[in-house]
Amino acid sequence: EADIYQTPRYLVIGTGKKITLECSQTMGHDKMYWYQQDPGMELHLIHYSYGVNSTEKGDLSSESTVSRIRTEHFPLTLESARPSHTSQYLCASSTRTYGYTFGSGTRLTVV
Amino acid sequence: SQQGEEDPQALSIQEGENATMNCSYKTSINNLQWYRQNSGRGLVHLILIRSNEREKHSGRLRVTLDTSKKSSSLLITASRAADTASYFCATDPSGGSNYKLTFGKGTLLTVNP
Repeated sequence: EADIYQTPRYLVIGTGKKITLECSQTMGHDKMYWYQQDPGMELHLIHYSYGVNSTEKGDLSSESTVSRIRTEHFPLTLESARPSHTSQYLCASSTRTYGYTFGSGTRLTVV
Repeated sequence: SQQGEEDPQALSIQEGENATMNCSYKTSINNLQWYRQNSGRGLVHLILIRSNEREKHSGRLRVTLDTSKKSSSLLITASRAADTASYFCATDPSGGSNYKLTFGKGTLLTVNP
C-alpha cells in the first residue's frame, strides 16, 4: 500500500479561486514530484523537490507554485484557478534506489 | 520531449492470453521502469530493470531491456480481467545527480473476460 496521500480526491471550484492541493508522505523520501495528466494522456512533470527548501520547475510550464518546508509535505497552490487548469494532478515521492510511489491523485475541475 | 514511447497505444486481448508492450527511448539510461495505472488513479510501480540487466521477472511479468536498440518490452502472461489498465514505461537518464523520470504516453490494455 502506498504511504503517500493526496487531498482532496475530487475538487470542483470556480474561476479565480485560490486552491491548494495537499500531498503528504510518511516514508521519509527526500524526493517529491507533481505531475499533471489529462485523462488517457501522458504525464507531464510540473514541479519537483529534492529536499527541504529545494523546489524546481518541471518540463511543463505551470502557473502553480509549490513549497517544501517539511520533508513529508509538498503542497501545490494555484493562486487563481482557470478552466485550463482542469486536469488530474498526481503527487509522487521516491528515493534514488527504487521507483516512484504515487498518490491516488486529485481530479480538479475549474468551472 | 518524452523519452519513452510505448507501442502499441492500445491492446485488447482475451483472458488467459499473453500481452506484450514495447517501449523505445532516446538517450542513455541508468534504469527503466514500468508502471500500471488503473482508470482515474495514481500509478503503481511494477518493476525496475537496470541498464546492465537484460531480463527480469516478477510473478507474471517479464521485462527485457536492449540498450543497443534503446528498447524494452513488458510481457504479462496468462492475463486476467484485473490486468486491464494503462501501462507506462519510465526512464531514468544517465548522467547528472538528478532523479527525474520521464514517462511515455502509455499503452491501454483491455483484457476481456
